Amino acid sequence: QVQLVQSGAEVKKPGASVKVSCKASGYTFSNSGISWVRQAPGQGLEWMGWISGYNGNTNFAQKLQGRLTMTTDTSTSTAYMELRSLRSDDTAVYYCARSAYPYNWFDPWGQGTLVTVSS
Amino acid sequence: QSVLTQPPSASGTPGQRVTISCSGSNSNLGSNYVHWHQQLPGAAPKLLIYKNNLRPSGVPDRFSGSKSGTSASLAISGLRSEDEADYYCAAWDDSLSSHVFGTGTKVTVL
Repeated sequence: QVQLVQSGAEVKKPGASVKVSCKASGYTFSNSGISWVRQAPGQGLEWMGWISGYNGNTNFAQKLQGRLTMTTDTSTSTAYMELRSLRSDDTAVYYCARSAYPYNWFDPWGQGTLVTVSS
Repeated sequence: QSVLTQPPSASGTPGQRVTISCSGSNSNLGSNYVHWHQQLPGAAPKLLIYKNNLRPSGVPDRFSGSKSGTSASLAISGLRSEDEADYYCAAWDDSLSSHVFGTGTKVTVL
Protein backbone atom coordinates (compact mmCIF):
# COMPACT_ATOMS: atom_id res chain seq x y z
CA GLN A 1 0.00 0.00 0.00
CA VAL A 2 1.07 3.59 -0.52
CA GLN A 3 2.84 4.84 2.57
CA LEU A 4 4.84 7.89 3.65
CA VAL A 5 7.13 7.54 6.67
CA GLN A 6 8.66 10.67 8.19
CA SER A 7 11.73 11.22 10.33
CA GLY A 8 11.53 11.68 14.10
CA ALA A 9 10.87 14.65 16.32
CA GLU A 10 13.34 17.53 16.47
CA VAL A 11 14.14 20.23 19.01
CA LYS A 12 15.90 23.30 17.64
CA LYS A 13 17.02 26.66 18.94
CA PRO A 14 15.79 29.91 17.38
CA GLY A 15 17.83 30.77 14.31
CA ALA A 16 18.75 27.17 13.55
CA SER A 17 17.59 25.01 10.63
CA VAL A 18 15.65 21.76 10.53
CA LYS A 19 15.47 19.12 7.82
CA VAL A 20 12.63 16.61 7.81
CA SER A 21 12.55 13.54 5.58
CA CYS A 22 9.60 11.70 4.06
CA LYS A 23 10.23 8.23 2.61
CA ALA A 24 7.67 6.97 0.11
CA SER A 25 6.79 3.38 -0.70
CA GLY A 26 4.10 1.49 -2.59
CA TYR A 27 4.14 3.64 -5.74
CA THR A 28 6.53 5.04 -8.34
CA PHE A 29 7.97 8.12 -6.64
CA SER A 30 8.75 9.94 -9.90
CA ASN A 31 5.10 9.67 -11.04
CA SER A 32 3.86 12.08 -8.39
CA GLY A 33 4.86 14.88 -6.05
CA ILE A 34 4.97 15.67 -2.37
CA SER A 35 3.29 18.53 -0.53
CA TRP A 36 4.31 19.69 2.93
CA VAL A 37 1.71 20.93 5.42
CA ARG A 38 2.23 22.10 8.98
CA GLN A 39 0.00 22.42 12.00
CA ALA A 40 0.90 24.60 14.98
CA PRO A 41 -0.28 23.36 18.40
CA GLY A 42 -4.07 23.59 18.62
CA GLN A 43 -4.27 25.29 15.21
CA GLY A 44 -5.40 24.45 11.69
CA LEU A 45 -3.51 23.23 8.65
CA GLU A 46 -1.13 25.41 6.63
CA TRP A 47 0.20 24.44 3.21
CA MET A 48 3.93 25.08 2.87
CA GLY A 49 4.74 23.99 -0.64
CA TRP A 50 5.09 21.18 -3.17
CA ILE A 51 7.88 19.40 -5.00
CA SER A 52 7.69 17.23 -8.09
CA GLY A 53 9.06 13.71 -7.75
CA TYR A 54 9.68 13.76 -11.50
CA ASN A 55 11.92 16.80 -12.01
CA GLY A 56 12.24 18.57 -8.63
CA ASN A 57 10.16 21.57 -9.64
CA THR A 58 8.84 23.40 -6.61
CA ASN A 59 5.97 25.69 -5.64
CA PHE A 60 6.19 27.43 -2.27
CA ALA A 61 3.77 29.41 -0.15
CA GLN A 62 4.78 33.05 -0.47
CA LYS A 63 4.99 33.46 3.30
CA LEU A 64 7.85 30.92 3.54
CA GLN A 65 9.81 31.74 0.39
CA GLY A 66 13.39 32.55 1.31
CA ARG A 67 13.46 30.23 4.32
CA LEU A 68 12.23 27.01 2.72
CA THR A 69 13.98 24.40 0.59
CA MET A 70 12.50 21.19 -0.72
CA THR A 71 14.51 18.43 -2.37
CA THR A 72 14.09 14.82 -3.41
CA ASP A 73 16.32 11.76 -3.69
CA THR A 74 14.74 9.56 -6.32
CA SER A 75 17.19 6.72 -5.62
CA THR A 76 15.62 6.28 -2.18
CA SER A 77 12.14 7.69 -2.95
CA THR A 78 12.63 10.28 -0.25
CA ALA A 79 11.56 13.91 -0.07
CA TYR A 80 13.14 16.48 2.22
CA MET A 81 11.90 19.76 3.65
CA GLU A 82 14.39 22.21 5.18
CA LEU A 83 13.28 25.32 7.04
CA ARG A 84 15.90 27.88 8.04
CA SER A 85 16.08 30.76 10.53
CA LEU A 86 13.63 29.01 12.82
CA ARG A 87 11.40 31.06 15.12
CA SER A 88 9.21 30.01 18.01
CA ASP A 89 6.13 30.25 15.81
CA ASP A 90 7.58 27.55 13.55
CA THR A 91 6.87 25.08 16.34
CA ALA A 92 4.43 22.66 14.71
CA VAL A 93 3.80 19.17 13.47
CA TYR A 94 5.05 18.94 9.89
CA TYR A 95 3.32 16.54 7.51
CA CYS A 96 4.21 15.33 4.05
CA ALA A 97 1.49 14.10 1.71
CA ARG A 98 1.47 12.68 -1.80
CA SER A 99 0.05 15.12 -4.31
CA ALA A 100 0.46 14.73 -8.07
CA TYR A 101 0.41 18.51 -8.58
CA PRO A 102 0.38 21.43 -6.15
CA TYR A 103 -3.34 21.93 -6.84
CA ASN A 104 -4.24 18.26 -6.35
CA TRP A 105 -5.60 16.54 -3.27
CA PHE A 106 -3.35 14.99 -0.62
CA ASP A 107 -3.39 11.22 -0.24
CA PRO A 108 -1.95 9.65 1.78
CA TRP A 109 -0.40 11.73 4.55
CA GLY A 110 2.72 10.91 6.52
CA GLN A 111 2.49 10.36 10.27
CA GLY A 112 3.85 13.82 11.06
CA THR A 113 7.06 15.15 12.62
CA LEU A 114 6.98 17.44 15.65
CA VAL A 115 9.47 20.29 15.40
CA THR A 116 9.89 22.31 18.58
CA VAL A 117 11.72 25.63 18.46
CA SER A 118 12.81 26.73 21.90
CA SER A 119 15.76 28.44 23.53
CA GLN B 1 -4.17 32.60 7.36
CA SER B 2 -7.19 30.53 6.28
CA VAL B 3 -9.14 31.89 3.33
CA LEU B 4 -11.81 29.20 3.48
CA THR B 5 -14.35 29.69 6.26
CA GLN B 6 -15.93 26.84 8.20
CA PRO B 7 -18.09 26.80 11.34
CA PRO B 8 -15.89 26.04 14.37
CA SER B 9 -18.13 23.24 15.60
CA ALA B 10 -20.98 20.92 14.69
CA SER B 11 -22.68 18.19 16.65
CA GLY B 12 -25.33 15.50 16.49
CA THR B 13 -26.56 12.35 18.15
CA PRO B 14 -25.74 8.90 16.77
CA GLY B 15 -27.63 8.22 13.57
CA GLN B 16 -28.27 11.88 12.79
CA ARG B 17 -27.07 13.78 9.71
CA VAL B 18 -24.54 16.57 10.16
CA THR B 19 -23.54 19.09 7.50
CA ILE B 20 -20.39 21.22 7.48
CA SER B 21 -20.10 24.27 5.23
CA CYS B 22 -17.01 25.74 3.59
CA SER B 23 -17.16 29.24 2.15
CA GLY B 24 -14.58 30.67 -0.21
CA SER B 25 -14.24 33.00 -3.18
CA ASN B 26 -14.01 33.01 -6.97
CA SER B 27 -10.26 32.41 -6.88
CA ASN B 28 -10.50 29.15 -4.92
CA LEU B 29 -13.84 27.31 -4.65
CA GLY B 30 -15.27 29.27 -7.55
CA SER B 31 -12.71 27.91 -10.00
CA ASN B 32 -11.15 24.80 -8.47
CA TYR B 33 -12.12 21.52 -6.87
CA VAL B 34 -12.69 21.23 -3.13
CA HIS B 35 -11.28 18.38 -1.08
CA TRP B 36 -12.09 17.34 2.48
CA HIS B 37 -9.82 15.85 5.14
CA GLN B 38 -10.66 14.18 8.45
CA GLN B 39 -8.30 14.45 11.41
CA LEU B 40 -9.03 12.11 14.29
CA PRO B 41 -7.69 13.17 17.72
CA GLY B 42 -3.92 12.85 17.87
CA ALA B 43 -3.66 11.53 14.31
CA ALA B 44 -2.53 12.76 10.92
CA PRO B 45 -5.20 14.05 8.53
CA LYS B 46 -6.78 11.60 6.11
CA LEU B 47 -8.37 12.31 2.73
CA LEU B 48 -12.16 11.95 2.94
CA ILE B 49 -13.51 13.52 -0.27
CA TYR B 50 -11.67 14.70 -3.39
CA LYS B 51 -12.72 16.57 -6.52
CA ASN B 52 -15.87 17.89 -4.80
CA ASN B 53 -17.72 14.61 -4.30
CA LEU B 54 -15.51 11.57 -4.86
CA ARG B 55 -14.67 9.14 -2.06
CA PRO B 56 -11.32 7.33 -1.91
CA SER B 57 -11.45 3.59 -1.55
CA GLY B 58 -12.37 2.62 2.01
CA VAL B 59 -14.28 5.79 2.91
CA PRO B 60 -17.86 4.89 3.88
CA ASP B 61 -20.67 6.22 1.72
CA ARG B 62 -22.05 7.94 4.83
CA PHE B 63 -19.69 10.76 3.83
CA SER B 64 -20.69 12.91 0.86
CA GLY B 65 -19.53 16.19 -0.59
CA SER B 66 -20.98 18.87 -2.84
CA LYS B 67 -20.01 22.24 -4.26
CA SER B 68 -21.93 25.13 -5.73
CA GLY B 69 -20.25 28.34 -6.81
CA THR B 70 -18.01 29.59 -4.01
CA SER B 71 -19.44 27.29 -1.34
CA ALA B 72 -19.05 23.62 -0.53
CA SER B 73 -20.40 21.25 2.05
CA LEU B 74 -19.61 17.93 3.64
CA ALA B 75 -22.44 15.75 4.93
CA ILE B 76 -22.13 12.91 7.39
CA SER B 77 -25.19 10.72 7.56
CA GLY B 78 -25.82 8.02 10.15
CA LEU B 79 -23.41 9.76 12.55
CA ARG B 80 -21.23 7.40 14.58
CA SER B 81 -19.02 7.94 17.62
CA GLU B 82 -15.91 7.27 15.55
CA ASP B 83 -16.78 10.30 13.40
CA GLU B 84 -15.71 12.63 16.22
CA ALA B 85 -12.86 14.52 14.58
CA ASP B 86 -11.77 17.78 13.00
CA TYR B 87 -12.77 18.27 9.38
CA TYR B 88 -10.97 20.57 6.94
CA CYS B 89 -11.90 21.68 3.45
CA ALA B 90 -9.10 22.54 1.03
CA ALA B 91 -8.69 23.97 -2.45
CA TRP B 92 -6.16 25.58 -4.77
CA ASP B 93 -6.28 29.38 -4.86
CA ASP B 94 -5.42 30.89 -8.25
CA SER B 95 -4.76 34.38 -6.85
CA LEU B 96 -2.40 33.18 -4.11
CA SER B 97 -0.93 30.37 -6.25
CA SER B 98 -1.22 28.36 -3.08
CA HIS B 99 -3.21 25.52 -1.61
CA VAL B 100 -5.53 26.86 1.07
CA PHE B 101 -7.33 25.13 3.93
CA GLY B 102 -10.52 25.88 5.77
CA THR B 103 -10.52 26.99 9.39
CA GLY B 104 -11.61 23.52 10.47
CA THR B 105 -14.78 22.17 12.09
CA LYS B 106 -14.83 20.02 15.20
CA VAL B 107 -17.60 17.43 15.06
CA THR B 108 -18.91 16.13 18.38
CA VAL B 109 -21.17 13.11 18.73
CA LEU B 110 -23.48 13.75 21.68
